[in-house]
Amino acid sequence: SAVISQKPSRDICQRGTSLTIQCQVDSQVTMMFWYRQQPGQSLTLIATANQGSEATYESGFVIDKFPISRPNLTFSTLTVSNMSPEDSSIYLCSVEGTGSYNEQFFGPGTRLTVL
Amino acid sequence: QKEVEQDPGPLSVPEGAIVSLNCTYSNSAFQYFMWYRQYSRKGPELLMYTYSSGNKEDGRFTAQVDKSSKYISLFIRDSQPSDSATYLCAMKQAGSYQLTFGKGTKLSVIP
Repeated sequence: SAVISQKPSRDICQRGTSLTIQCQVDSQVTMMFWYRQQPGQSLTLIATANQGSEATYESGFVIDKFPISRPNLTFSTLTVSNMSPEDSSIYLCSVEGTGSYNEQFFGPGTRLTVL
Repeated sequence: QKEVEQDPGPLSVPEGAIVSLNCTYSNSAFQYFMWYRQYSRKGPELLMYTYSSGNKEDGRFTAQVDKSSKYISLFIRDSQPSDSATYLCAMKQAGSYQLTFGKGTKLSVIP
């Protein structure tokens, strides 16, 4: 499986500011995903990022709030814009593996607290 | 009704016990079933991946799928304190990348 790193691992931010989260993979991957894991809730897919195309957002998530970049096959960023305390969550990136079932592997996550 | 239901626990067992973790689902289109383990302050780690109904074994772990009942289970034999984590079930439809997760069950194995 791919080795995935995320930066920052955690951050505390003020309301109204923005934070950009980086995801780096040690091998080239076609599909990268961004998830949110709120306390007591299921992991929820925010968007899918393919290199060379616009990110595809799931219902309830919009580009203005969560802009995503995918400049190459090993890197992606997710920005959480104009943050509010409701954005406090763990944000995870994942990649699709090359196995028969296209398993997804996750990074360590970014723990965000918005005051 | 949520698509995937999973008892959040917490579940506390003595070391050496057999642990049974379960999820039910409502969408009959789900064809692939996964179990992830997530340690505190870490990302989810893929444990088991199954497709067909029946059992799949990997060491101390057995994944069981019953598509007719829309019910999946993960059994952990000879549980160890290092198994203490949150276990997430996940599933997806054929031809789709989108995973639908349960909320996770927090397991503590007491020495």
